[in-house]
Amino acid sequence: GNSVTQMEGPVTLSEEAFLTINCTYTATGYPSLFWYVQYPGEGLQLLLKATKADDKGSNKGFEATYRKETTSFHLEKGSVQVSDSAVYFCALGTSYDKVIFGPGTSLSVIP
Amino acid sequence: DSGVTQTPKHLITATGQRVTLRCSPRSGDLSVYWYQQSLDQGLQFLIHYYNGEERAKGNILERFSAQQFPDLHSELNLSSLELGDSALYFCASSAAGGGGLDYGYTFGSGTRLTVV
Repeated sequence: GNSVTQMEGPVTLSEEAFLTINCTYTATGYPSLFWYVQYPGEGLQLLLKATKADDKGSNKGFEATYRKETTSFHLEKGSVQVSDSAVYFCALGTSYDKVIFGPGTSLSVIP
Repeated sequence: DSGVTQTPKHLITATGQRVTLRCSPRSGDLSVYWYQQSLDQGLQFLIHYYNGEERAKGNILERFSAQQFPDLHSELNLSSLELGDSALYFCASSAAGGGGLDYGYTFGSGTRLTVV
């Protein structure tokens, strides 16, 4: 079946550091891939998405590239801010099944 | 505002009681999904409704039930509550009937349930 694996947290970084959160997936067919972000006390928000191989999703300085050969969709940001502190979820969607979410990675950015 | 409305935001109730959580999907969305989020279990899929019909069930206890009404709002009923049912309950909606191929989901801000 379909599944998503992402790096365990928590991740703690200093402001302006480079961020990578790894995500790999298992799926049949050609899924879409998503990153969601959950700020404290809020629901999940769609951060970015990619719908086919080699697509790059980007938003708010975050980027992720859909790599079919390595079944990966790693999230990156060049310079994190304190306001980026949140939980990040990698997710996979197909036309025939519900969206599958990874376990989430907690990020804390310290000044 | 995501367009998905959940009420109430907070709920405190005693063990053994029954509660109802409500969700109004984003305008035009026909699918409603319910998720439970707890510290130890992460985000757990409970159930999916599409245009009034149940489409998929996840890790939903027999004490829990849900329905989607003709106006597309949905209710999640939790009965015989236990301490372990304390969690955040999220509703999400999508336009798609079966999956999230193109758009993913839009989440509400959740209902925090505390069972004492």
